[in-house]
Amino acid sequence: GENVEQHPSTLSVQEGDSAVIKCTYSDSASNYFPWYKQELGKRPQLIIDIRSNVGEKKDQRIAVTLNKTAKHFSLHITETQPEDSAVYFCAAGGGGGNKLTFGTGTQLKVEL
Amino acid sequence: DAGVIQSPRHEVTEMGQEVTLRCKPISGHDYLFWYRQTMMRGLELLIYFNNNVPIDDSGMPEDRFSAKMPNASFSTLKIQPSEPRDSAVYFCASSLRGGIDEQYFGPGTRLTVT
Repeated sequence: GENVEQHPSTLSVQEGDSAVIKCTYSDSASNYFPWYKQELGKRPQLIIDIRSNVGEKKDQRIAVTLNKTAKHFSLHITETQPEDSAVYFCAAGGGGGNKLTFGTGTQLKVEL
Repeated sequence: DAGVIQSPRHEVTEMGQEVTLRCKPISGHDYLFWYRQTMMRGLELLIYFNNNVPIDDSGMPEDRFSAKMPNASFSTLKIQPSEPRDSAVYFCASSLRGGIDEQYFGPGTRLTVT
């Protein structure tokens, strides 16, 4: 089955800096790669996603890049703000089984 | 739509008791997923349904866990008997097209087994 690895597990940045979270996947048939943000005590919520026919996607301060050949994808957050502090999960889907496989999460802390 | 609804939001029970968690997916969504979240294991998929039929239950940890979806608007996850190591947050999520679509998570049920 699909295996998704996510790094780093924790990330601390200064407000205004950029943050990058990286994920790799194992199933070359996977074609859907969402990113979820989970604030403390809340549910995971989709913030951006990318499909395998696209190499990059942006939405204001966040962007996701996908390298199908290397089977890795990354989340980029620019001009970080304290409200960006949360746990971020990457996931992969569309391969074997109609489900998402989640990474282990990255705790992002944006310090003032 | 009100989104995915879960009940109860919090459950505290004693070891050995039966626990039933409930979920109402978003109307029109064909897929329903049950996840368990702990600090140690992260977000684990327990089971998922397509059109009310269980498709993959390989994540269900033991026979003590069972899940049903009697109709398109209701699902239950039951633990019998419960154990302290079952303490976790249990999320239900639904989506239109399963693994190639956004999953909408419910607010979760925080289960504590003493």
